[in-house]
Formats: sequence, C-alpha cells, structure tokens
Amino acid sequence: GIQVEQSPPDLILQEGANSTLRCNFSDSVNNLQWFHQNPWGQLINLFYIPSGTKQNGRLSATTVATERYSLLYISSSQTTDSGVYFCAVEETSGSRLTFGEGTQLTVNP
Amino acid sequence: GAVVSQHPSWVICKSGTSVKIECRSLDFQATTMFWYRQFPKQSLMLMATSNEGSKATYEQGVEKDKFLINHASLTLSTLTVTSAHPEDSSFYICSARTGGAGWVVNTEAFFGQGTRLTVV
Repeated sequence: GIQVEQSPPDLILQEGANSTLRCNFSDSVNNLQWFHQNPWGQLINLFYIPSGTKQNGRLSATTVATERYSLLYISSSQTTDSGVYFCAVEETSGSRLTFGEGTQLTVNP
Repeated sequence: GAVVSQHPSWVICKSGTSVKIECRSLDFQATTMFWYRQFPKQSLMLMATSNEGSKATYEQGVEKDKFLINHASLTLSTLTVTSAHPEDSSFYICSARTGGAGWVVNTEAFFGQGTRLTVV
C-alpha cells in the first residue's frame, strides 16, 4: 500500500511564528486532505487539495502531485493552533484514505 | 462542510459486554462509510469499509466477528464491539464521503466526533 510520511513529527513554536508541515507520499493519489485533530479528538477538515494551492485565512496548502508531496503553511500561529495535524491520501487504486503519522504542534504563549 | 455525527462520544463498559456506536451523515447520503481506530499518540488506522445494503469489507487483521458493522440506510452505519475486553479500549472514529450515493473516489471525507471506549 501507499506510504505517507509527515515531517516534522513534533514542532514547538512561540505564538506569532510561522511554520511549514510536510507530507510525502509514495504513489499517485486521487485525493489529499489535511486535518487538524483537536484535544478532544475531533478531526477538523483544513484542506481538500489533490493538487494546486489553496488558502484559508492564516493557513494555506500546496500539493505538487507530480513530485508526491504536500505542504501546509501556518502563519502567525496562535495557541489554538496546537494539536495534531494529519495528512491523508487516497490511492488511485481505491477509495480508502491512508493517514500519515501526524505532526504534533505546540504553540506557546 | 458536511456533517457526520457519531454517538456516543464516550462509553465505559464492563469486560464481556457489547457496545454499539452509531455514525450518521446528517446532510448527505453516504453509501460508503469508514471506521477507524486510534490508539493514544498514534495515527488513524482503517478498520473496515461499511457498504449500504451489503457486507462490510474488513482490513487485514481486524476480526469481523468482534467488530460487527451494519449499514442499513444511506445515512447510518453502526459498529458493535462484541464481548469487549480491555485491549479493545480505544478511540473509534467514523467517516463518510460526500460524493453522493454510489460515488466515493476522489471526494472529500468528513469525520464524526469519535467515540472513546473504555473497557473495565
């Protein structure tokens, strides 16, 4: 099956800093999504981005499908951005989403 | 975005009993839903794919007799953990895709709130 690698595994920031999270995948994909898992476990949809660039407020994402990676940018981070960020991809051979191991982000005041 | 509702949010049960978890798509039809399991500090692992009106497809290593899945309507899938044991304690999350009845590939996935199961 497809391999999904996220980096870094852990990231600690001061409030106001910017950061870039990376997701590499080993095969062609139909779909790529970024999620934020809050402290209660809820997965919040951030981006549905199989290719191209999207922006939503302080967050933006870019997927370069031909090079098999995606980046999530967080600007002017806030303490409420803390949590785990997951990248998930859907292989071209099927409908299942495969998750990366996540990036644990901690934003300190 | 689309709404997927999962119930209950948390449950504590005695070892040997069964627990049912419900997953509903509130504002769209979902012929296919997905059940995941997440252990502390780990990623989500797909357990099974739930298909409306037919048998679920289980991932390798997942016991189908222990984790019973029923998808009786286009908006409801249930996961029953039978004869629960402490090692079944985990966070269970369901997901549905928004492609409409019969279409799943390359559509956005939305997740329920999750159910934290503790077996004592």
